[in-house]
Amino acid sequence: QVQLVESGGGVVQPGRSLRLSCAASGFTFSRYGMHWVRQAPGKGLEWVADIWYDGSNKYYAESVKGRFTISRDNSKNTVYLQMNSLRAEDMAIYYCARDLGPGNVFYFDYWGQGTLVTVSS
Amino acid sequence: QSALTQPASVSGSPGQSITISCTGTSSDVGGYDYVSWYQHHPGKAPKLMIYDVSKRPSGVSNRFSGSKSGNTASLTISGLQAEDEGAYYCCSYAGISSLVTFGGGTKLTVL
Repeated sequence: QVQLVESGGGVVQPGRSLRLSCAASGFTFSRYGMHWVRQAPGKGLEWVADIWYDGSNKYYAESVKGRFTISRDNSKNTVYLQMNSLRAEDMAIYYCARDLGPGNVFYFDYWGQGTLVTVSS
Repeated sequence: QSALTQPASVSGSPGQSITISCTGTSSDVGGYDYVSWYQHHPGKAPKLMIYDVSKRPSGVSNRFSGSKSGNTASLTISGLQAEDEGAYYCCSYAGISSLVTFGGGTKLTVL
């Protein structure tokens, strides 16, 4: 069955960097777009970034544009989120989610359990 | 503040029906038939319940239905069951500049 397992979360100081990973299994990873979605404490869901099935297109929420970078390695069935210049408002549970299609459908049909990023000095 | 407006909470008794609204603008909900709904139980992965306004993914109960009128989308759950309790989020495509926007979420309590 489809599984998405995030890792890499933790406590980081403001201004520092962190890289999240999401290992996928149970489906042909290279055929699907992948997203990162986050949920700040006590808040709702917020879409963060998207990468197409082949990595050819990447899109970001305005709140993270220029600071976060999404990438993927189809040989390792893994999607990454490089987060630089972290701010207090980036503190959240970060979920990776599969696109219902190649990356441009923006429906998230499978999600991981999430990894917590805490930004604190 | 979320771009899409949902009620903070709704409640209903087992067997009843409830409807959760999701109000946006002509730039998102009203402009595209690309609305989806997600169920989220605390500590678990969110689950896609509805996409393309009213389509159900395989495995989702037909007690869940979606609709849209103008700038407002709705999720209706009929025959409420205890397991339906949790948070529900609407989501809409919002054009090439914003791409995707979520609602603030609605907590459903089954009395």
